[in-house]
Amino acid sequence: QITLKESGPTLVKPTQTLTLTCTFSGFSLSTSGVGVGWIRQPPGKALEWLAFIYWDDDKRYSPSLKSRLTITKDTSKNQVVLTMTNMDPVDTATYYCAHRKESGLDAFDIWGQGTLVTVSS
Amino acid sequence: DTVMTQSPDSLAVSLGERATINCKSSQSVLTSSYNKNYLAWYQQKAGQPPKLLIYWASTRESGVPDRFSGSGSGTDFTLTISSLQAEDVAVYYCQQYYSTPRTFGGGTKVEIK
Repeated sequence: QITLKESGPTLVKPTQTLTLTCTFSGFSLSTSGVGVGWIRQPPGKALEWLAFIYWDDDKRYSPSLKSRLTITKDTSKNQVVLTMTNMDPVDTATYYCAHRKESGLDAFDIWGQGTLVTVSS
Repeated sequence: DTVMTQSPDSLAVSLGERATINCKSSQSVLTSSYNKNYLAWYQQKAGQPPKLLIYWASTRESGVPDRFSGSGSGTDFTLTISSLQAEDVAVYYCQQYYSTPRTFGGGTKVEIK
C-alpha cells in the first residue's frame, strides 16, 4: 500500500524559505520508473503543478517558479524535499506531494493529504 | 506552458442525469508515436486531495465506477458522468502530462440540482 505524507511549517514569514518534506512508504524512489511530484492549491483555487523528481534524479520544475524551487530525494529515508525561497503571501496554499502512476505516465495516482502553508508576517 | 481550459466553471445536474465537463488544451497532447493522449481527470471532494479517475484520456483508474468515462483526442476532451450520484458532488480537474509543466485546468464544480 502506497502512502505519502507532507510535513513542514504551517506558517512562514514573507521572504523566508519554505522547506517541505514528503515521507512515503510502499515504494522506493530507487526503482526504475518511479517519481514523486509536488502540487499546490491556494484556498478555493485550482491545482498548480510545481515540481517532479524521478528515480534517476531527473528533475522538472514549473518554469514560472523554477528560480525559487529545489526538489531533492533521499532514497534511504524514503523522502522527497521541496524548498521554495522568497515566500510571499500569494504562496499561501495547501501543498501536496503525489506518486507517479507508472513509467511514462506522469499522472498522480496516490496523493498525500496535503499541508496548509500560510505566508504572513 | 500548455494552458488547460475547462468549461463550464460549474454545473448543476439532477440525480441520475448526465454531467458533461469539457477540457481544451492550447497544444495537442497526442503523441503520434504511441497514439496516446497524455490527459488525466481528477475528482476532488471538499477537504480531500484529488483522486485520479481517468488517464490516457479514456482509461478508468482501478475502482472508479463505470459511470465515469473520458473521451476526446488532440486538444479537446470530455469527462462524462452518465448518471450523477450524490457522492459525485466535487470539483473535477483535467491535467496534461505531455509537456512540462504538467498543467491542470481551472476546475469544474459539479452540484446537485
